[in-house]
Amino acid sequence: DTGVSQDPRHKITKRGQNVTFRCDPISEHNRLYWYRQTLGQGPEFLTYFQNEAQLEKSRLLSDRFSAERPKGSFSTLEIQRTEQGDSAMYLCASSLATVNEQFFGPGTRLTVL
Amino acid sequence: DAKTTQPPSMDCAEGRAANLPCNHSTISGNEYVYWYRQIHSQGPQYIIHGLKNNETNEMASLIITEDRKSSTLILPHATLRDTAVYYCIVRVAIGGGATNKLIFGTGTLLAVQP
Repeated sequence: DTGVSQDPRHKITKRGQNVTFRCDPISEHNRLYWYRQTLGQGPEFLTYFQNEAQLEKSRLLSDRFSAERPKGSFSTLEIQRTEQGDSAMYLCASSLATVNEQFFGPGTRLTVL
Repeated sequence: DAKTTQPPSMDCAEGRAANLPCNHSTISGNEYVYWYRQIHSQGPQYIIHGLKNNETNEMASLIITEDRKSSTLILPHATLRDTAVYYCIVRVAIGGGATNKLIFGTGTLLAVQP
């Protein structure tokens, strides 16, 4: 257990539905990252927050995806109008601004039927 | 960030040293070599990082060649719990104009055999 928690751990939804995932980072960590991982591939960067500011977004993050970190603590990742191609593991990580190590949560596995 | 090349898979006998290679021939002078691993159904875990000197911690040792174009992660006494995908990542460190994100390749699947 790294101290980063994600909820839910598994989500099955039908195509076209909206889903929201939550990440609770290690409490003193001011940086928070979202990654997506499909089967057989390494994680791919989606977006990054420093405190409540979203500082970088990948081109992978289409208009259907939105992430927030309203008070600089927990973060949510919402996917609207899900598609089968959104099926993946969604990983959250956190770190201190002065440390190179990112601590990953266990991930949320999304299956879109 | 520089691209890395790793073998897709390796086997190692339990109790023996596991040596995982990584090529990063286009590495820049201010880029570090990082290693993470991902055990099945878990998130990635940081192992070690280094710039040009060899590094050792409680998990592993990192050997970087003098020209910095390749490196080797060494698990001195592999156990069954070390079976995982190991990722070699090259990136600028925090404070050096870091992009902050990690760019993962497909890694090396290390299978430790009993």
